[in-house]
Amino acid sequence: GNSVTQMEGPVTLSEEAFLTINCTYTATGYPSLFWYVQYPGEGLQLLLKATKADDKGSNKGFEATYRKETTSFHLEKGSVQVSDSAVYFCALIRNTGNQFYFGTGTSLTVIP
Amino acid sequence: NAGVTQTPKFRILKIGQSMTLQCTQDMNHNYMYWYRQDPGMGLKLIYYSVGAGITDKGEVPNGYNVSRSTTEDFPLRLELAAPSQTSVYFCASSYSTRGDGNTIYFGEGSWLTVV
Repeated sequence: GNSVTQMEGPVTLSEEAFLTINCTYTATGYPSLFWYVQYPGEGLQLLLKATKADDKGSNKGFEATYRKETTSFHLEKGSVQVSDSAVYFCALIRNTGNQFYFGTGTSLTVIP
Repeated sequence: NAGVTQTPKFRILKIGQSMTLQCTQDMNHNYMYWYRQDPGMGLKLIYYSVGAGITDKGEVPNGYNVSRSTTEDFPLRLELAAPSQTSVYFCASSYSTRGDGNTIYFGEGSWLTVV
């Protein structure tokens, strides 16, 4: 079946630390991959996406590379800020499917 | 620039009551979805629709019903509310599920408590 597995949290980092949140997936065919971010009390917002192997999605200093050989889409940021504190969700959709599949979310807290 | 709008934002229901969560989108999206998010958990798909007049069950449809009479609206009906339906509900939409149109957009959520 189709599924997304992401690193369990919560994750706590100091400001300006390096961030990695791991995400691996299982899917048939060639899915599109996404990272969504959810700030407290809000809905999910698209952070970045990649639609084919070796594509790199990037936004607001975050980036993730679609690695088909390792079925991974790890989220990275070189220097986190307090304002990055949120829950991050990895997701996929198959190119022949109608449903998005989300990971369980990773909570990130950045302390000054 | 409304996007996906869902109402109400907060609601307390008594066990056995019924209610409808409203959802509308102004982006002319074909696909619409209802998810629930339980504390500390990910998103679970309740129902989805690929276009007006077409709906399908997701992972956790029991206790819910939907309809899609127009492209814009996708209400979620809770019949005979139970404490297990206490959750945050998100409506979402996407233009497509492939290519550049496969980004999913979310509403701000509806917090529902059943007591």
